Amino acid sequence: GAGVSQTPSNKVTEKGKYVELRCDPISGHTALYWYRQSLGQGPEFLIYFQGTGAADDSGLPNDRFFAVRPEGSVSTLKIQRTERGDSAVYLCASSRSGGGGTEAFFGQGTRLTVV
Amino acid sequence: AQKVTQAQTEISVVEKEDVTLDCVYETRDTTYYLFWYKQPPSGELVFLIRRNSFDEQNEISGRYSWNFQKSTSSFNFTITASQVVDSAVYFCALVTSGNTGKLIFGQGTTLQVKP
Repeated sequence: GAGVSQTPSNKVTEKGKYVELRCDPISGHTALYWYRQSLGQGPEFLIYFQGTGAADDSGLPNDRFFAVRPEGSVSTLKIQRTERGDSAVYLCASSRSGGGGTEAFFGQGTRLTVV
Repeated sequence: AQKVTQAQTEISVVEKEDVTLDCVYETRDTTYYLFWYKQPPSGELVFLIRRNSFDEQNEISGRYSWNFQKSTSSFNFTITASQVVDSAVYFCALVTSGNTGKLIFGQGTTLQVKP
């Protein structure tokens, strides 16, 4: 498709388990972002990739969170030893080149529920 | 500090009324970008507008208009003759020139348009 695709759309996991969330950006977009949106809040930045490298990971809350983008297209957000507080919608966005003036296109998100 | 404040948590109007969503931002940067996104119940963030800090001209797009005032650090959004399809959560966001396109979101305003 032409838009940003995220899978799965919903994920329920048990506390302590490991999860992977996938983002397929718009073809040709070099910049990719992950955000986390808790209920009733605005999205919060997690990590930014420019190509294959993480250019800014200052938003990752702790070392249980990790993300990769090995070939500069698809990205995977990985969460180890999940906690109930990790429950949120995880949004992915991509843009043509990154930078302040570039429009970011968002996927529909993955709703993660940790029980 | 960089921050976006949307003081209105929820607004309810009757169809055809005009409604203004407020946004106040904080940044010490002289170059920055302001955005508005719409988040319908489907969850995907939809881009509405981007303005840079050097362009204070107001903008109108159909029923939507934006008022950018640097003197009050505000970037307000007005919907004229609201429609039920305008019901959504609206987010104002800030990007500063040095942070690679990372969006700083406000907490959002939920708009309900009743028939």
